[in-house]
Amino acid sequence: DTAVSQTPKYLVTQMGNDKSIKCEQNLGHDTMYWYKQDSKKFLKIMFSYNNKELIINETVPNRFSPKSPDKAHLNLHINSLELGDSAVYFCASRRTGTSGGDAYEQYFGPGTRLTVT
Amino acid sequence: AQSVTQPDIHITVSEGASLELRCNYSYGATPYLFWYVQSPGQGLQLLLKYFSGDTLVQGIKGFEAEFKRSQSSFNLRKPSVHWSDAAEYFCAVGAWVTGGGNKLTFGTGTQLKVEL
Repeated sequence: DTAVSQTPKYLVTQMGNDKSIKCEQNLGHDTMYWYKQDSKKFLKIMFSYNNKELIINETVPNRFSPKSPDKAHLNLHINSLELGDSAVYFCASRRTGTSGGDAYEQYFGPGTRLTVT
Repeated sequence: AQSVTQPDIHITVSEGASLELRCNYSYGATPYLFWYVQSPGQGLQLLLKYFSGDTLVQGIKGFEAEFKRSQSSFNLRKPSVHWSDAAEYFCAVGAWVTGGGNKLTFGTGTQLKVEL
């Protein structure tokens, strides 16, 4: 069974378009994240939601809008796509209600490779 | 602010040889440290983690890591590398975020190539 899934796996689109990436986790976790991995493989957090509430927003352009319809889903909508948005986007989740290091352990999805032409 | 440094961008080892990937962190409080592996075209898989206690931690696939507070290091090791270990390896530190929640801060990764 897939723990954290993302759709689509690949997304090729033109500049100026609007696109969405979907993420779902079946782990029963309350907190979900979006990360961006650039062409040099650097991973940087973008957003985090806890039980549908935005708790981390790392100065991402407001063309990026996360939406969490329920605690098992976190979608990422991107408006007016730019060339620099080309990257691999990873969704992750973690348990809440834990303490110590367990509160930090995250489970990652397979990634969505976005190519903007 | 927390940070992670992985000094080696690329490492090449022969199959069967030993491996050590370096990781240095900067964090003001007790660090929660992780190593993740990313195979080509895949997501990130947790190899091992350090929270407290024994400073030598065992992970999956025969990997281990040693936490050294005095050196702010958390180096990953494997006694004998297999060709299937070729991948990108990321070290990460967990940190609380002002306003609630926590996040992982990743190093820039080390790409491991295994020669047959």
